Amino acid sequence: DAGVTQSPTHLIKTRGQHVTLRCSPISGHKSVSWYQQVLGQGPQFIFQYYEKEERGRGNFPDRFSARQFPNYSSELNVNALLLGDSALYLCASRKRGAGELFFGEGSRLTVL
Amino acid sequence: QQQVKQSPQSLIVQKGGISIINCAYENTAFDYFPWYQQFPGKGPALLIAIRPDVSEKKEGRFTISFNKSAKQFSLHIMDSQPGDSATYFCAARRDSGGGADGLTFGKGTHLIIQP
Repeated sequence: DAGVTQSPTHLIKTRGQHVTLRCSPISGHKSVSWYQQVLGQGPQFIFQYYEKEERGRGNFPDRFSARQFPNYSSELNVNALLLGDSALYLCASRKRGAGELFFGEGSRLTVL
Repeated sequence: QQQVKQSPQSLIVQKGGISIINCAYENTAFDYFPWYQQFPGKGPALLIAIRPDVSEKKEGRFTISFNKSAKQFSLHIMDSQPGDSATYFCAARRDSGGGADGLTFGKGTHLIIQP
């Protein structure tokens, strides 16, 4: 079975631009979460979606938004990019609200 | 306020030795404590997890010890191998809220196993 898949794997943007990152969960998993991992730090929780509804939100500004589609895939959108948004963005999925969380390989975003 | 404190920041262990990484948490509502392993350029991979109703859980060479009263938990890697060289993260979450909360991660431990 395929794991969590994310695209793109790497991308470079400039300050002020917008970015969309995509995630496909493990088959059968209905919950998708997004995390930001700055170099040398642990991942930080951004959003959780379950059954297409936002169920949890971390301490991130409104420039960050996400949505989950009927097939349980998800998009993370970041507007008005700042240099500090440069990070590895990780998507994770699980079968239900609680339980084991499985991460994808991440999308490496560089903001110049 | 950092809710999960992890130590040490880096650790060097000889092949065959025991690697020990410690974490302490502040939020008593946390009730799920996983450990993740991350290799460079990869996403974190779940190693082992524990809930507060048990004090120890073992899976192969990996053991979690949990001390609820001290609000501490640790990962022990027995017979450490060079392939175990990676960054390890402890994490915690309040699952009783239906899982809406995200995981709170420690800052990570960079483990090097010397041949």
